[in-house]
Amino acid sequence: QVQLQESGPGLVKPSETLSLTCTVSGGSFSSYYWTWIRQTPGQGLEWIGYIYYVGSTNSNPSLESRLTFSVDTSKTQFSLKLRSVTAADTAVYYCARGIAAPGKHWYFDLWGRGTLVTVSS
Amino acid sequence: QMTQSPSSLSASVGDRVTISCRASQNIDLFLNWYQQRPGKAPKVLIYAASTLQSGVPSRFSGSGSGTEFTLTIRNLQPEDIATYFCQQTYNFPQTFGLGTKVEVK
Repeated sequence: QVQLQESGPGLVKPSETLSLTCTVSGGSFSSYYWTWIRQTPGQGLEWIGYIYYVGSTNSNPSLESRLTFSVDTSKTQFSLKLRSVTAADTAVYYCARGIAAPGKHWYFDLWGRGTLVTVSS
Repeated sequence: QMTQSPSSLSASVGDRVTISCRASQNIDLFLNWYQQRPGKAPKVLIYAASTLQSGVPSRFSGSGSGTEFTLTIRNLQPEDIATYFCQQTYNFPQTFGLGTKVEVK
């Protein structure tokens, strides 16, 4: 059974870098779009972006200038770095597996449990 | 931009529940529905507007195209207490509706 698990600090200081890793276990790492999504009570669910297993990326323009994605296929892990964080980046961060079904119909069929990241001094 | 309605509803076990999602532009059939139970991650129910994800009970169904979409839950069950989100995947960035919270009377 494939599982995703987020890991990283739960508290980040303003202006610093938020770093998260998602470990994929129990299944194939290839041919999927490994995605980050965050959720806040006020803004709902926000698509952050994805890294394809071969390394190509796509990210939300609202965050793109502060984002870096990476992937380590040998460890079946992918990571997110978000620079210069503010309180507005406080959220539950989810990693998810993105599938492009026939007809390019995307959906996220597996999600991690989510990790709360708080930006505060 | 995705607009869901209502933002919350209360229904009885066995009821038929309908949730609407409106897109600000034509998104063809590029619309998914997710269920998020309290304290859990979202779970896909429907993709491509009407395709039921494997393992999802058949009381869930999706319909619509273009700008108007509907998620229907027939025979509402206590375990359906959750917030339901629509998501457009027509273009990037993919965006979600703000959710509809379903409570059981």
